[in-house]
Amino acid sequence: LAKTTQPISMDSYEGQEVNITCSHNNIATNDYITWYQQFPSQGPRFIIQGYKTKVTNEVASLFIPADRKSSTLSLPRVSLSDTAVYYCLVGGDAGNMLTFGGGTRLMVKP
Amino acid sequence: GAGVSQSPRYKVAKRGQDVALRCDPISGHVSLFWYQQALGQGPEFLTYFQNEAQLDKSGLPSDRFFAERPEGSVSTLKIQRTQQEDSAVYLCASSLASGGVLSQATQYFGPGTRLLVL
Repeated sequence: LAKTTQPISMDSYEGQEVNITCSHNNIATNDYITWYQQFPSQGPRFIIQGYKTKVTNEVASLFIPADRKSSTLSLPRVSLSDTAVYYCLVGGDAGNMLTFGGGTRLMVKP
Repeated sequence: GAGVSQSPRYKVAKRGQDVALRCDPISGHVSLFWYQQALGQGPEFLTYFQNEAQLDKSGLPSDRFFAERPEGSVSTLKIQRTQQEDSAVYLCASSLASGGVLSQATQYFGPGTRLLVL
């Protein structure tokens, strides 16, 4: 079972780059790594997904080292609206292996 | 297009009552997931359907929890004889994926149902 560990909280300022790292030491060969964003009173929203190396989309980048035991979500030039909880999800072929971490509460200040 | 919808958004139940929570997935999505999210915690997996088949229910905390998706679209999560520890947000997610690695499926979440058991 791939257990994930993330920092509980992070603070940043508008315009800065934010990097949030998730540790998943027991990741299995078939596991993908997915990051979600959650605002209060809403369900999580997909941000980015990767398997290895680097993935970039219009909102974020995901860096995964060769051993895949961690991953780093990079948010470029954050704004106040990026204040949210960020979860990394790692899991394999069985439902009960879909493990959300405790989440990282990001606070972006003006 | 319409996203995943859940109803009711809020539910207050007295301890011992039965409750039913509804999830309407995105049209055409094959996979459907239920999660339980306690206050300040990440979502925890409850159960998973592919069409009408419940492929994994290992996360259901007790036999008081029951989920169904009889026609492969709308799903209902039922909790019998609710207890105070059942108080949480119940999230439903759907995914287009019908095969491959489960963790590769992009899940689209509904807003959740907040259940409070008094």
